[in-house]
Amino acid sequence: NAGVMQNPRHLVRRRGQEARLRCSPMKGHSHVYWYRQLPEEGLKFMVYLQKENIIDESGMPKERFSAEFPKEGPSILRIQQVVRGDSAAYFCASLDSTFTDTQYFGPGTRLTVL
Amino acid sequence: AQSVAQPEDQVNVAEGNPLTVKCTYSVSGNPYLFWYVQYPNRGLQFLLKYITGDNLVKGSYGFEAEFNKSQTSFHLKKPSALVSDSALYFCAVRDRGFKTIFGAGTRLFVKA
Repeated sequence: NAGVMQNPRHLVRRRGQEARLRCSPMKGHSHVYWYRQLPEEGLKFMVYLQKENIIDESGMPKERFSAEFPKEGPSILRIQQVVRGDSAAYFCASLDSTFTDTQYFGPGTRLTVL
Repeated sequence: AQSVAQPEDQVNVAEGNPLTVKCTYSVSGNPYLFWYVQYPNRGLQFLLKYITGDNLVKGSYGFEAEFNKSQTSFHLKKPSALVSDSALYFCAVRDRGFKTIFGAGTRLFVKA
């Protein structure tokens, strides 16, 4: 059973460009969390999604950031018009629908904004 | 509002000695508590969790944690540290909702 997959692992964007981060949860998992980690800091919750539903997006900036988890395909975290402050590691974690409460993390995408 | 605190930025311990990484929490209702470990340039790996039941929880790689309701603590422990345990450790708390709050992390250095 493959673990949580994220791609790309590293992404470089210039200010003003768009960044798309993808997360494929573990097989059979229908819930995904996205977190942001700044250097030497802990993880900050961004959004919690179920397939085709946003359950809790209270941690996501109101502008430029959006997330989706379609019925088919990976979850996407989209950052429009990136700024240098968006540079961080973005992690997704998946959770199975029986709510065993254990989140399984992907390896992360490291976004660098030049 | 729920919160979790890891009071130590860094813990240093000699190989073979016991280690403790501290965590205190604040949550309404009964907490779900977790410990994760992060190695450089990697995602977080689950170590153990407390949902209900015995206050002493055993997890991966010989780690255990003790839930103390009166002190609202969930300290991570290991009887004998290994150099390979050196990593960043995160405590996390979740209430009955969906959001999980992570502590700022404690960096563990185990010296040979």
